[in-house]
Amino acid sequence: AQTVTQSQPEMSVQEAETVTLSCTYDTSESDYYLFWYKQPPSRQMILVIRQEAYKQQNATENRFSVNFQKAAKSFSLKISDSQLGDAAMYFCAYRSASAGGTSYGKLTFGQGTILTVHP
Amino acid sequence: DVKVTQSSRYLVKRTGEKVFLECVQDMDHENMFWYRQDPGLGLRLIYFSYDVKMKEKGDIPEGYSVSREKKERFSLILESASTNQTSMYLCASSLSLGSGNTIYFGEGSWLTVV
Repeated sequence: AQTVTQSQPEMSVQEAETVTLSCTYDTSESDYYLFWYKQPPSRQMILVIRQEAYKQQNATENRFSVNFQKAAKSFSLKISDSQLGDAAMYFCAYRSASAGGTSYGKLTFGQGTILTVHP
Repeated sequence: DVKVTQSSRYLVKRTGEKVFLECVQDMDHENMFWYRQDPGLGLRLIYFSYDVKMKEKGDIPEGYSVSREKKERFSLILESASTNQTSMYLCASSLSLGSGNTIYFGEGSWLTVV
């Protein structure tokens, strides 16, 4: 079974600075997707960014970018120019794309990292 | 925009009660999911459904069952609630299983079992 590990329970950053959240995963599959979700205090999960494993290029969405290291099974999220509205719980998640596998179509989540942004 | 609606945001139930958590999505998605979220454990999959009347166990199905009689509605049932089921429950849906389709979440249902 796949596992996702976020080793940083909490992180903090000053407004306008850059912060990186870490995520590692374990899988024997070659075809999968990785995601970062944001959960603000409202508890509504919001998709931040998605990475296809077959793509070598790192995904970017405005101030959010990832560092995807497939061989190392690492998937970190970088938030540039941090804003107060970025304060939230961030979850890394894995989804298998291999039909017939036990994890096919399901999202497996890490434990989450609480990000605090200081003004 | 896709909307996943969980009808009950906050519930307090007694031990042994039967509890229904309802979830409705409005985008004709094939797949629906129930997760529970606990501090330090992240989100764990309870059950999911890839079609009407179809269901599969997730990672922690014990003590739960589900029902999907209509495509848009996926219910989580606690047959006899226990205090260790106090948690936040998140419903989600996606268009199909095998692609990178976004999984959309509801706002969560806080369940307290006393």
